[in-house]
Amino acid sequence: GAVVSQHPSWVICKSGTSVKIECRSLDFQATTMFWYRQFPKQSLMLMATSNEGSKATYEQGVEKDKFLINHASLTLSTLTVTSAHPEDSSFYICSARDTRLAGGLGTDTQYFGPGTRLTVL
Amino acid sequence: GDSVTQMEGPVTLSEEAFLTINCTYTATGYPSLFWYVQYPGEGLQLLLKATKADDKGSNKGFEATYRKETTSFHLEKGSVQVSDSAVYFCALSNDYKLSFGAGTTVTVRA
Repeated sequence: GAVVSQHPSWVICKSGTSVKIECRSLDFQATTMFWYRQFPKQSLMLMATSNEGSKATYEQGVEKDKFLINHASLTLSTLTVTSAHPEDSSFYICSARDTRLAGGLGTDTQYFGPGTRLTVL
Repeated sequence: GDSVTQMEGPVTLSEEAFLTINCTYTATGYPSLFWYVQYPGEGLQLLLKATKADDKGSNKGFEATYRKETTSFHLEKGSVQVSDSAVYFCALSNDYKLSFGAGTTVTVRA
């Protein structure tokens, strides 16, 4: 199967600090990863597309200087929430695009990490 | 732009009941369609997918058929269990980006 991990699973920080969230594909290489944000009892909102070796592509309305994305290797993408404020508190979920020809539920499927709960005090 | 509309919940069922969650979509081109499930406090798990018209995705007793003529991808399960209690998301993929429906909360009572 295709497994994606996230670390940490939850984090509490003070307002004004920065928080880094890691997303790893454990058993496959992912040239493309995605970062989502989910508010309580709501759907997922795509924040940005993370491409290995190049700059991330941000969705409209998402501040790229606020949410820094680095896709340093084929198995790791990081999201850094800079100068976090209480309104940044949310559930952040990453996914990795699996383009292998076999395995999992087929080709070109996104597999999701377990999510990171960020609380900014 | 692309969008997904799914029936609002919450849905409460008894064990062994039949479950249907309606999902319709609007998209350009020929998107792939997915159902994801989210258990409390967890991320999303891919439940099933279909990549072209008339394809049927199935997994763990759940089924959904890609209906291009009605732009629908309804999720069904013939006999639900308590362990099926979760939030279910319908989604479409166009140009590798996923667009999600609002999610439907399903609670199955013993």
